[in-house]
Amino acid sequence: GQNIDQPTEMTATEGAIVQINCTYQTSGFNGLFWYQQHAGEAPTFLSYNVLDGLEEKGRFSSFLSRSKGYSYLLLKELQMKDSASYLCAVRAFNQAGTALIFGKGTTLSVSS
Amino acid sequence: DTAVSQTPKYLVTQMGNDKSIKCEQNLGHDTMYWYKQDSKKFLKIMFSYNNKELIINETVPNRFSPKSPDKAHLNLHINSLELGDSAVYFCASSPRQNMNTEAFFGQGTRLTVV
Repeated sequence: GQNIDQPTEMTATEGAIVQINCTYQTSGFNGLFWYQQHAGEAPTFLSYNVLDGLEEKGRFSSFLSRSKGYSYLLLKELQMKDSASYLCAVRAFNQAGTALIFGKGTTLSVSS
Repeated sequence: DTAVSQTPKYLVTQMGNDKSIKCEQNLGHDTMYWYKQDSKKFLKIMFSYNNKELIINETVPNRFSPKSPDKAHLNLHINSLELGDSAVYFCASSPRQNMNTEAFFGQGTRLTVV
């Protein structure tokens, strides 16, 4: 089976940098994804890692270490609109084919 | 143009009723999914449907049944609704089952069973 852990809540201030960690245990790993979900809205794709290392996309970066079963999402120059839930998801062979399996999400609150 | 669309957006119904949620994607994707997001915001996979192959998460009660008239549609039918079925249901799609691509989500259907 799969196990995905991430912190439940985090807080930060505008302009700061925040790192959201995600650890996973799975077999048949086939990629790690980060999604952002604002309250009452659909999850939207942020980033994808399948090889070890850092992927940078503007203010957002994501890192993966497959040997450690570890990823993080780094958000720079935080803005109020970044207040949302951040979902770590793993694609792996599982009980539903290779659907994305999500962690429970990290609620980030950005204050001024 | 909406890529993955679900109807209705809100659904309030009584216990014991049967209801359906419709989902359509215009992305030409081969694989579609249904997810359930509970009150704690945990997004859980229910079904994958790829080229007429249905893969069911065994934890899903058999009162839930996906129906796919064609590749662009995957509807969710729920029989004998229970209070615990109240949640937000998300449809999603991706190009292919095993490709390293993200899934695109619909806007969700908030189901309330009273």
